[in-house]
Amino acid sequence: DAGVIQSPRHEVTEMGQEVTLRCKPISGHNSLFWYRQTMMRGLELLIYFNNNVPIDDSGMPEDRFSAKMPNASFSTLKIQPSEPRDSAVYFCASSLAPTGLYEQYFGPGTRLTVT
Amino acid sequence: DAKTTQPNSMESNEEEPVHLPCNHSTISGTDYIHWYRQLPSQGPEYVIHGLTSNVNNRMASLAIAEDRKSSTLILHRATLRDAAVYYCILRAPEVSAGNMLTFGGGTRLMVKP
Repeated sequence: DAGVIQSPRHEVTEMGQEVTLRCKPISGHNSLFWYRQTMMRGLELLIYFNNNVPIDDSGMPEDRFSAKMPNASFSTLKIQPSEPRDSAVYFCASSLAPTGLYEQYFGPGTRLTVT
Repeated sequence: DAKTTQPNSMESNEEEPVHLPCNHSTISGTDYIHWYRQLPSQGPEYVIHGLTSNVNNRMASLAIAEDRKSSTLILHRATLRDAAVYYCILRAPEVSAGNMLTFGGGTRLMVKP
């Protein structure tokens, strides 16, 4: 398996623009997680899906953030409009199930810079 | 939530074994002990996890104390590629928001050639 795939790897955009991050989980994994990592706040869970259904989005910072999972092999995280404070590395991870019984596998991340 | 305590940093020589400790004195009876690592400029990487018995995989071994209040990640022969921050995390078996991965300070492992 190719592992978790994320695109783009790097994104530079201007404040106010829409940003869409993409993720393809490992085939057969039922859970997908979106995390954000910054030096100040460390790794934060934004939202996770189980069987394509959003289970907990309490980590999504504002209404400017939205996530979808239209099918088992694809998810998007959208920021509209983007702001400089959204600059971070965004990771997608997948797992067989969202419990401590199973490990999570992370993608390489998307480094977002908003100027 | 049960917390973990790890040393801030450790140093090892290449090709020697490394023992990374983690204290979790408030662990519940059903919490799994997970280890992840993050290499510079890369995403977190799963290493190993266990519940009560010691565990081995191709990357490392996990030794869990009999009372489960501490555990040790063992890298049998450290390589330069093992230089990373290692995180010890407790995760409950049930689904809950608090069960998601949160990385604390971790141990920064430096490997000398």
